Amino acid sequence: KNQVEQSPQSLIILEGKNCTLQCNYTVSPFSNLRWYKQDTGRGPVSLTIMTFSENTKSNGRYTATLDADTKQSSLHITASQLSDSASYICVVIQYSGGYQKVTFGIGTKLQVIP
Amino acid sequence: KAGVTQTPRYLIKTRGQQVTLSCSPISGHRSVSWYQQTPGQGLQFLFEYFSETQRNKGNFPGRFSGRQFSNSRSEMNVSTLELGDSALYLCASSLPGGNLGTMNTEAFFGQGTRLTVV
Repeated sequence: KNQVEQSPQSLIILEGKNCTLQCNYTVSPFSNLRWYKQDTGRGPVSLTIMTFSENTKSNGRYTATLDADTKQSSLHITASQLSDSASYICVVIQYSGGYQKVTFGIGTKLQVIP
Repeated sequence: KAGVTQTPRYLIKTRGQQVTLSCSPISGHRSVSWYQQTPGQGLQFLFEYFSETQRNKGNFPGRFSGRQFSNSRSEMNVSTLELGDSALYLCASSLPGGNLGTMNTEAFFGQGTRLTVV
């Protein structure tokens, strides 16, 4: 069982609508949780980084939330645009012995249609 | 400032062959980490190099190896290729701070090398 699970696996929404992507994790304790956007044929690009003590972090139309009690994070996209079509990956980072341990979710594939 | 450059972008190899992939980090970045991405497993960490030394390693067999040169450029080698090695291989560079950088000095990914093993 993956320690970082994302849902839904894929999502289709109309341009201009809002959507929320979920990330449930069992990794504990952790240093920070990140959301990345990956366009087809490209490498991932960081959207938000939250420490375990933060509840919310925004980056333009992207807002990430974190509930450390329920071990859930969500990424909310407001007023979606065609360019938001991409995979969104949740990543949990721990530090052990001075080294990073990185656990990735498989991602949610979002398609925004006109 | 130029981004992270990976070469080649696409590669087709046959089973049993070996392959070398290259990653040139952002100027001034000294940490390079490598990842394998497949549809079924998602992104998985391979290893990280800093100052020509492997600093961290994921759970991959010894067929996967790498190195880093004095100019911080890194290469990844896969020997005795298997069909399951078909994947997108990504590298990321950062200032010192580990695989994906720190809160203040995050890592940046290249576009990846798409390896197909037939």
